[in-house]
Amino acid sequence: DIVMTQSPDSLAVSLGERVTINCESSQSVFHSSNNRNSLAWYQHKPGQPPKVLIYWASIRESGVPDRFSGSGSGTDFTLTISSLQAEDVAVYYCHQYHSVPHSFGQGTKLEIK
Amino acid sequence: EVHVVESGGGFVQPGGSLRLSCAASGFTFSDYWMTWVRQAPGKGLEYVANINQDGTDIHYAGFVRGRFIISRDNAKRSVYLQLSGLRTDDTAVYYCSRDSAWFDAWGQGTLVTVSS
Repeated sequence: DIVMTQSPDSLAVSLGERVTINCESSQSVFHSSNNRNSLAWYQHKPGQPPKVLIYWASIRESGVPDRFSGSGSGTDFTLTISSLQAEDVAVYYCHQYHSVPHSFGQGTKLEIK
Repeated sequence: EVHVVESGGGFVQPGGSLRLSCAASGFTFSDYWMTWVRQAPGKGLEYVANINQDGTDIHYAGFVRGRFIISRDNAKRSVYLQLSGLRTDDTAVYYCSRDSAWFDAWGQGTLVTVSS
């Protein structure tokens, strides 16, 4: 099974500052068949269901603000928020769908400093 | 608009059973895999099970160990999760999601509480 490890577990950033969340997979999630990485990022706010932000490691879901971006390949991935807004306070999860069973990172809690 | 609505959660004693349901609308249900994900109190998201379009390909997380069964009824646009042999550590909000490989449409979840 693929284990997903995020870092840090939590962080506090000032409004307008850049945010970087890392995700490492225990095995490569690169698909040679389509040259894509099977990695998604979700935002989860209290009392709401999770919301997909990024899939195939770097494709932004429709309606997601362009301050959110994803990068990386193989086993190392990054979610970046270019300029933190108050509404971005949430827990963020990476998710690999390269192989079953699917797996999530443990989550990164983002707060305002 | 895509909608997914879970139901069937509740309070159950250890060893008990529950059947969760998930009703979908706003998309061609029979074209998609469907997935159950859970979140225990104070914990992160955890994949539970998923099922392919016609119910012939099913996968479970290791912790399920034969206790849960996922199924679907395309005529009713619904997916189900039969929970049995429940343990206290199965207490969680159970979410249903449309599965496009990533999970792109989630319900609000249904709470399952396992306690004596």
